[in-house]
Amino acid sequence: GEDVEQSLFLSVREGDSSVINCTYTDSSSTYLYWYKQEPGAGLQLLTYIFSNMDMKQDQRLTVLLNKKDKHLSLRIADTQTGDSAIYFCAENLYTGGFKTIFGAGTRLFVKA
Amino acid sequence: GAVVSQHPSRVICKSGTSVKIECRSLDFQATTMFWYRQFPKKSLMLMATSNEGSKATYEQGVEKDKFLINHASLTLSTLTVTSAHPEDSSFYICSVSGRADEQFFGPGTRLTVL
Repeated sequence: GEDVEQSLFLSVREGDSSVINCTYTDSSSTYLYWYKQEPGAGLQLLTYIFSNMDMKQDQRLTVLLNKKDKHLSLRIADTQTGDSAIYFCAENLYTGGFKTIFGAGTRLFVKA
Repeated sequence: GAVVSQHPSRVICKSGTSVKIECRSLDFQATTMFWYRQFPKKSLMLMATSNEGSKATYEQGVEKDKFLINHASLTLSTLTVTSAHPEDSSFYICSVSGRADEQFFGPGTRLTVL
């Protein structure tokens, strides 16, 4: 089946690291994504990882992929108040055409 | 990346009326656009894949006669919610896909049906 699951809330202190976790069920994923959505706004692609990679680092963001466990995580180093948003995990599948399945989103609260 | 706009950003309508939402790719020719629906505190749900010059592909459970999609050009796709009801109230987001690794999302349209 096609399902992506994430925890709904995460609260961290400013300056700490945030780790948002995601699990997915379809092993035929080609790409896995992290999107950020600020209140009232559309989605912004933060980063993505190809399914044959284990890790990707992009400035403060580190994505880890455990394909065996179908587990994806996003680590935000030195979390800032501006990082407060909803973070969506998503997987891209090819089923005759490309389709993206989203998790429910993790709401990140950053306390000053 | 591609710039995607949606119009209107917010719309309030009476139950039973139809509402058209436009999705424009401003700087990118999109053969494929996607329409999503986002429920409060829920994930984005893919409604349909809009293909330029051909019929849209709807996801299971999405009524194609209720959510009419027209992708008449490489820069414009429209979603028409016909005979809208309060349960159709939602945040509708379109996206443009250039490659498998990139999707560019519009800002969304908040529909409220009274």
